[in-house]
Amino acid sequence: LAKTTQPISMDSYEGQEVNITCSHNNIATNDYITWYQQFPSQGPRFIIQGYKTKVTNEVASLFIPADRKSSTLSLPRVSLSDTAVYYCLVGVSENTGFQKLVFGTGTRLLVSP
Amino acid sequence: DAGVTQSPTHLIKTRGQQVTLRCSPKSGHDTVSWYQQALGQGPQFIFQYYEEEERQRGNFPDRFSGHQFPNYSSELNVNALLLGDSALYLCASRGQGIHYGYTFGSGTRLTVV
Repeated sequence: LAKTTQPISMDSYEGQEVNITCSHNNIATNDYITWYQQFPSQGPRFIIQGYKTKVTNEVASLFIPADRKSSTLSLPRVSLSDTAVYYCLVGVSENTGFQKLVFGTGTRLLVSP
Repeated sequence: DAGVTQSPTHLIKTRGQQVTLRCSPKSGHDTVSWYQQALGQGPQFIFQYYEEEERQRGNFPDRFSGHQFPNYSSELNVNALLLGDSALYLCASRGQGIHYGYTFGSGTRLTVV
């Protein structure tokens, strides 16, 4: 499974757009890119998943360049409640056909008033 | 519609004891994975169950074992507890289709003293 590299932490203010970039140089052809959000003492929450170009849902956008060696999670107009740890994961199925999630240390986002 | 339910929420055990943690997957989900999350770290994959069989396993000793029942619920058993086993144990479930994200429970906080 491809390893991922993310910034350890980021700071922002309410109402700003936040972009968190993840590097995954050895992504495989059939790997998908998935982002999770985690609050303290809670399980991670699925945010968005994509394979290439751009994916958008009601909470975020995911930008993936043509070479797919990196991806950027974009959170529009963050609020204080977006303060959390964000994880980028790469990898779909192992040979058995079952997905194994490999978490890195994530990016700790702090949103201030 | 209940999400992933884990029990108990908190647990204190003594070194050398055994513990059983329980997980009920989200309705309609048939694949269950277990993760260990130490303080300040990302979740680490323990194993995954599908059709009552262990399908994948992470880098955890045999002291960690599991089971999946016909109703898709699952148990995680840890024998001969060590102080280092203190962590948040997360259960995640997923339905069919590799393009869907996992749904995580809120976890069981295990403290070994």
